[in-house]
Amino acid sequence: DIQMTQSPSSLSASVGDRVTITCRASQGISSSLAWFQQKPGKAPKSLIYAASSLHSGVPSKFSGSGSGTDFTLTISSLQPEDFATYYCQQYYIYPLTFGGGTKVEIK
Amino acid sequence: QLQLQESGPGLVKPSETLSLTCSVSGGSISNSNYYWGWIRQPPGKGLEWIGSIYYSGSTYYNPSLKSRVTISVDTSKNQFSLTLSSVTAADTAVYYCARRGRYGSHWYFDLWGRGTLVTVSS
Repeated sequence: DIQMTQSPSSLSASVGDRVTITCRASQGISSSLAWFQQKPGKAPKSLIYAASSLHSGVPSKFSGSGSGTDFTLTISSLQPEDFATYYCQQYYIYPLTFGGGTKVEIK
Repeated sequence: QLQLQESGPGLVKPSETLSLTCSVSGGSISNSNYYWGWIRQPPGKGLEWIGSIYYSGSTYYNPSLKSRVTISVDTSKNQFSLTLSSVTAADTAVYYCARRGRYGSHWYFDLWGRGTLVTVSS
């Protein structure tokens, strides 16, 4: 199985901050990576696919980059509605696997 | 607007079988651009992919659960189902159904149901 490792597992940030979350795959996955946002008690929402393509309706403050084994999700200017947990997920090969999540909290 | 809705018992006894259904509304489950899947999330923990199915019936399962999982599709009812046998407390989780859509050469979870909590307890 491909292991997906996210860092940090949590972070504190202020409104307006630029935030970067890292996701590393245990083996190369090309650009077959998606990012999701999940708020407490809610289902995950799709943010990014193909490592850097925005899901429909997702604001451009979210961006993704990377290929192979190393990926990043960046939020350019953190807003109150962005405080949530973020997950990466590889779909390069079965079994599909998720990272452990990064909780973004208010400083 | 296509929507997914999970349904099934919220409480299952240990050693019994968990059964959930995902109803697809606003679109056809027989669309060749989609796979349909189940993902679960134990309370306070991360996401785990359980398995996926294509409208033709082709299935893919997580090896960690494969011996206990069956996913099936009923195109006449526009729904797909999950059964998980011999459950234990470790199977307590919110269970999500989700669609994997095709975008060029990329297939990713682009639509999720709201999720349903299943508790395994006597």
